[in-house]
Amino acid sequence: GENVEQHPSTLSVQEGDSAVIKCTYSDSASNYFPWYKQELGKRPQLIIDIRSNVGEKKDQRIAVTLNKTAKHFSLHITETQPEDSAVYFCAASRPPWEAAGNKLTFGGGTRVLVKP
Amino acid sequence: GAGVSQSPSNKVTEKGKDVELRCDPISGHTALYWYRQSLGQGLEFLIYFQGNSAPDKSGLPSDRFSAERTGGSVSTLTIQRTQQEDSAVYLCASSPGMNTEAFFGQGTRLTVV
Repeated sequence: GENVEQHPSTLSVQEGDSAVIKCTYSDSASNYFPWYKQELGKRPQLIIDIRSNVGEKKDQRIAVTLNKTAKHFSLHITETQPEDSAVYFCAASRPPWEAAGNKLTFGGGTRVLVKP
Repeated sequence: GAGVSQSPSNKVTEKGKDVELRCDPISGHTALYWYRQSLGQGLEFLIYFQGNSAPDKSGLPSDRFSAERTGGSVSTLTIQRTQQEDSAVYLCASSPGMNTEAFFGQGTRLTVV
């Protein structure tokens, strides 16, 4: 089955700096890669996702890049703000028509702390 | 519309007792997931339902854990003979089943004393 590794496990940045979180996946059939943000005591919520037919996607201060050949994808947060402090999870899943399709496998999470 | 709803929000149970956790997914969502999250830890996959297909139970940690999904909607996660190590937040999520956003419930915090 799919295995998703996420690094680093913790990340401390100064407000205004950039933060980068990296994930690698094992299943070359995976084609959907969402990122979730979980604030303290709250449920995980989707912040951005990317599909395997594109290499990069941006939404304001966040961007995700995907390297299918190397089987890794990254989350980039620019101009970090204190409200970006949270745990971030990457995930991967196969196409829905494949065996075990649509099943989300999560990375171990990255705790991001933005220092004012 | 309503999001994913889980009940109870909190459950304290004595070691050895059975518990049932309920998840009401978003109407029309064919995919339903159960995850377990210990304090400060990641999302541990438990079980996955997709439409009428046989569920993927590969994440259930022991035979004390079981889950069912009735009528393609409500799901119940049952833990028999609870142990202290079962204490965690149990999160349910649902999605339309086409590799799109999964929506999480608020979770059930289970404490086994």
